[in-house]
Amino acid sequence: EVQLVESGGGLVQPGGSLRLSCAASGFTFSSYWMHWVRQAPGKGLVWVSHMNFDGSTTSYADSVKGRFTISRDNAKNTLYLQMNSLTAEDTAVYYCAREYNWKDGLDYWGQGTLVTVSS
Amino acid sequence: SYELTQPPSVSVSPGQTARITCSGDALPKQYAHWYQQKPGQAPVLVIYKDSERPSGIPERFSGSSSGTTVTLTISGVQAEDEADYYCQSTDSSGFYVFGTGTKVTVL
Repeated sequence: EVQLVESGGGLVQPGGSLRLSCAASGFTFSSYWMHWVRQAPGKGLVWVSHMNFDGSTTSYADSVKGRFTISRDNAKNTLYLQMNSLTAEDTAVYYCAREYNWKDGLDYWGQGTLVTVSS
Repeated sequence: SYELTQPPSVSVSPGQTARITCSGDALPKQYAHWYQQKPGQAPVLVIYKDSERPSGIPERFSGSSSGTTVTLTISGVQAEDEADYYCQSTDSSGFYVFGTGTKVTVL
């Protein structure tokens, strides 16, 4: 069974940092592009970042570029999102999702982890 | 920045057909995908590459594309189809974009 389990969310002060993790199981993690997508409370889905299967290609939304860093450890079947210089606008549920080929569609999603940025 | 525009809401009676549109300038050249999201749950892919249906998705879900608009059609709507639906595609630079979302209400 395919599983994506996010962790690392929580309450952080403005300007602070947080590292999210996404543990994958039930499929060949190293064969998939991986994404982070966020959803602010009561709002729509917003794509944040992606990384290709071997980590050689990354991309970021303009809203997080220079502050967030995506990475992966294929030996540990885990995706990461390092988030720095957080602001209230980063408050959201963060989902990880997989994609077999670039532009094929995100076919499995985790249940998400909530990040709240507040003083 | 690139935008994908959807109607905020669609209402439909059980057994009828719901059509949700998604408009974007790059859609003639980029695939679109559709996701269903129920309250408190993660999104689920219901249509990929404009019109392909993943395994396990009911046949009443279908997708089509025409010019700058893609359409998700739910035929014979059931109460369990009440959810938010999002289209997703990429812009000319390859950045991923989600649509504004459509709330489907089953009357």
